[in-house]
Amino acid sequence: SQELEQSPQSLIVQEGKNLTINCTSSKTLYGLYWYKQKYGEGLIFLMMLQKGGEEKSHEKITAKLDEKKQQSSLHITASQPSHAGIYLCGADKKNYGQNFVFGPGTRLSVLP
Amino acid sequence: DAGVTQSPTHLIKTRGQQVTLRCSPISGHKSVSWYQQVLGQGPQFIFQYYEKEERGRGNFPDRFSARQFPNYSSELNVNALLLGDSALYLCASSQGLAGLYEQYFGPGTRLTVT
Repeated sequence: SQELEQSPQSLIVQEGKNLTINCTSSKTLYGLYWYKQKYGEGLIFLMMLQKGGEEKSHEKITAKLDEKKQQSSLHITASQPSHAGIYLCGADKKNYGQNFVFGPGTRLSVLP
Repeated sequence: DAGVTQSPTHLIKTRGQQVTLRCSPISGHKSVSWYQQVLGQGPQFIFQYYEKEERGRGNFPDRFSARQFPNYSSELNVNALLLGDSALYLCASSQGLAGLYEQYFGPGTRLTVT
């Protein structure tokens, strides 16, 4: 089973619409990371969240980590075609005794 | 500054062969991690090296091995290739242990095993 779950699996939105992607863990996260990947390419670092209740923004993207540090959301305001890609959440598993894990990804398409 | 670089970009191998993938981290980064990404899935952690020592190993068979050199570059070796090893192999570098520091990824090496 996936240790990090993401929802939705895929998303198609009209340009200009807002959207939210969720990342959930059954255990407390020690550092939650969001990445964007263009199809078949490397990952681009977006944001890192470490404290419960933390919220960060960059341009039109806002990420939040809940107080229990088990769920994170990524919100895009006024989406643009340039936002299209695969969004991945990742987390340090050191609490589990292993290393970094990723969620399965959310595939975002933005229609012009 | 140059980002993380990987070579080769693409590679086609036959079952049973061996392959070596290379990664150069961002200058000043001492940690390198390797991931395997199969089409449609998130990256799966293979190895992490920090200061030339293995600091983490994912659930991969012993056919997979890696090392980190004094200049912090790294190689991933895969022996006795199987069809299922076909994937995008990603290298990431960070200032310290992944999870404590953000990782920066290279463009990946696309490996096809026939």
